[in-house]
Amino acid sequence: EDKVVQSPLSLVVHEGDTVTLNCSYEVTNFRSLLWYKQEKKAPTFLFMLTSSGIEKKSGRLSSILDKKELSSILNITATQTGDSAIYLCAVEGAGNQFYFGTGTSLTVIP
Amino acid sequence: SAVISQKPSRDICQRGTSLTIQCQVDSQVTMMFWYRQQPGQSLTLIATANQGSEATYESGFVIDKFPISRPNLTFSTLTVSNMSPEDSSIYLCSVETRRGTQYFGPGTRLLVL
Repeated sequence: EDKVVQSPLSLVVHEGDTVTLNCSYEVTNFRSLLWYKQEKKAPTFLFMLTSSGIEKKSGRLSSILDKKELSSILNITATQTGDSAIYLCAVEGAGNQFYFGTGTSLTVIP
Repeated sequence: SAVISQKPSRDICQRGTSLTIQCQVDSQVTMMFWYRQQPGQSLTLIATANQGSEATYESGFVIDKFPISRPNLTFSTLTVSNMSPEDSSIYLCSVETRRGTQYFGPGTRLLVL
């Protein structure tokens, strides 16, 4: 059964901390892995990863894919209260179908 | 948890025609949503499907173009009407359980010629 699992389920940190969010997957015919930030009902696209070992970076956020380990991490450095959100991981597999994790809820305390 | 299935998984349609996408969830859920995703872009919320009443549409989306039905707590349909190539996208059904966890369906990939 294809699935995507994210960990931890929730996380509470202080401003300035660095966090690492994990996404592991078992998806047939992997095509890509996507990270989203969800603050309301519409997730905002962050990264799409297709190649192993190549880090994608955007400001304080970065992500990398490990196809051997069937996983990806999303790093956020120097966290701010505005980073508080649910971070979703999705994997596109066979038949162009998407498999979403249930998200990691991040709370950044001032 | 909630397991969501969507039909069809993909389709190619001629412009001017309509396509109805079905979303079935294996348990009763409070909220059902429909999203659209263009390649490399964020998910865009189309509407919230309300059980027994008219859907709540987001700005830029109207009922005449995207009629939605939700006859019960486990099923919803989204119709893409009078399609044009700009409607080519992935359409995703999502649900929120009573515990507040959101789950997404596998998506329907639509190509309009």
